[in-house]
Amino acid sequence: RKEVEQDPGPFNVPEGATVAFNCTYSNSASQSFFWYRQDCRKEPKLLMSVYSSGNEDGRFTAQLNRASQYISLLIRDSKLSDSATYLCVVNVRYSSYKLIFGSGTRLLVRP
Amino acid sequence: GAVVSQHPSRVICKSGTSVKIECRSLDFQATTMFWYRQFPKQSLMLMATSNEGSKATYEQGVEKDKFLINHASLTLSTLTVTSAHPEDSSFYICSASLAGVNNEQFFGPGTRLTVL
Repeated sequence: RKEVEQDPGPFNVPEGATVAFNCTYSNSASQSFFWYRQDCRKEPKLLMSVYSSGNEDGRFTAQLNRASQYISLLIRDSKLSDSATYLCVVNVRYSSYKLIFGSGTRLLVRP
Repeated sequence: GAVVSQHPSRVICKSGTSVKIECRSLDFQATTMFWYRQFPKQSLMLMATSNEGSKATYEQGVEKDKFLINHASLTLSTLTVTSAHPEDSSFYICSASLAGVNNEQFFGPGTRLTVL
């Protein structure tokens, strides 16, 4: 079983739509949580951290449920420029901290 | 934000040759650097963690004699893929972090390696 699991998609939505991505993680020792965005053939870029209380950054809202080991990302009013792969990432402490990446959910926003 | 560069951005080589990839933190001193590999449609997989001046810690299944990592200074780490083969073709990405700053990692732009 993968440590971080995501639906690979693709999610194909029209501009202006609201779309939600889910992610589950298996290691209860996970310390911190993130959503990254990765464009084709580029490095991942931090979109936002995820906190237990939930947090919002403009059109993006992230939620964390530690009891269920579940993370979500909601994108409102989708733009064409939101088309990318969204990576769910957890920071786990083994002998040192490591980022464990999900394989990503692909989003395609159409005109 | 902190800037990390990688060189080269793309390399094509013949099977059996060695390839060196450089990762530099441009505006900060990185106590720890990480090397990842990403195959098409797969997640980033951590290969190794290196701290300046000490030996790298390799993840299970990563051959340390094949993927040589040198972290000689606080701003430079190198990954050498020795005797590269077609199955080593991948996207190699480094990241750098500052100790004590919430362990945030700053990613380089990646190096796309194609072994013919």
